[in-house]
Amino acid sequence: DTAVSQTPKYLVTQMGNDKSIKCEQNLGHDTMYWYKQDSKKFLKIMFSYNNKELIINETVPNRFSPKSPDKAHLNLHINSLELGDSAVYFCASSHRGYGYTFGSGTRLTVV
Amino acid sequence: GEDVEQSLFLSVREGDSSVINCTYTDSSSTYLYWYKQEPGAGLQLLTYIFSNMDMKQDQRLTVLLNKKDKHLSLRIADTQTGDSAIYFCAESSNDYKLSFGAGTTVTVRA
Repeated sequence: DTAVSQTPKYLVTQMGNDKSIKCEQNLGHDTMYWYKQDSKKFLKIMFSYNNKELIINETVPNRFSPKSPDKAHLNLHINSLELGDSAVYFCASSHRGYGYTFGSGTRLTVV
Repeated sequence: GEDVEQSLFLSVREGDSSVINCTYTDSSSTYLYWYKQEPGAGLQLLTYIFSNMDMKQDQRLTVLLNKKDKHLSLRIADTQTGDSAIYFCAESSNDYKLSFGAGTTVTVRA
């Protein structure tokens, strides 16, 4: 069983479109995250939810909106996609700040 | 990664040891991690060390932590071609956030 699964694995879309990425964890962790990896492989946190409550919201355009319907799910919705949004987006989870586990990533390409 | 720094490239001959170094600034770091990322793949947790430890060994991997100097290293013994990847150092403290270095690209040559 995959511990942290995210879908889709690849996403190619046109500028201006709206898209969503879904993430689910079956580890019983209390915290979930979205990280962005840019073309230089640099990893930066975007959002973090602890027990469905937003606790970290780094400087991210408000076109990005996370949603956590329950502790096991954290989705990322992106409005009005731009070329600069092209990146790999990783979902992760941890329990009380320990045991970080990452999904396999979603490669988003905006054309 | 402004709080976590690591050298960007390392080239090593097959069979030799690799040493990847990392420095961090947050003195309240509780755990320090090493992740491996192969081309086109996700992040694989290799090992981690709690901040009150000096050393941890796991098969071919040895992690050394110098808390005074805020310096972390990962040694890979008997480096193989399958070890070619990007290695990320990361630290977490009580703020429920994992901060990464920029990654060290390790190339293993025959």
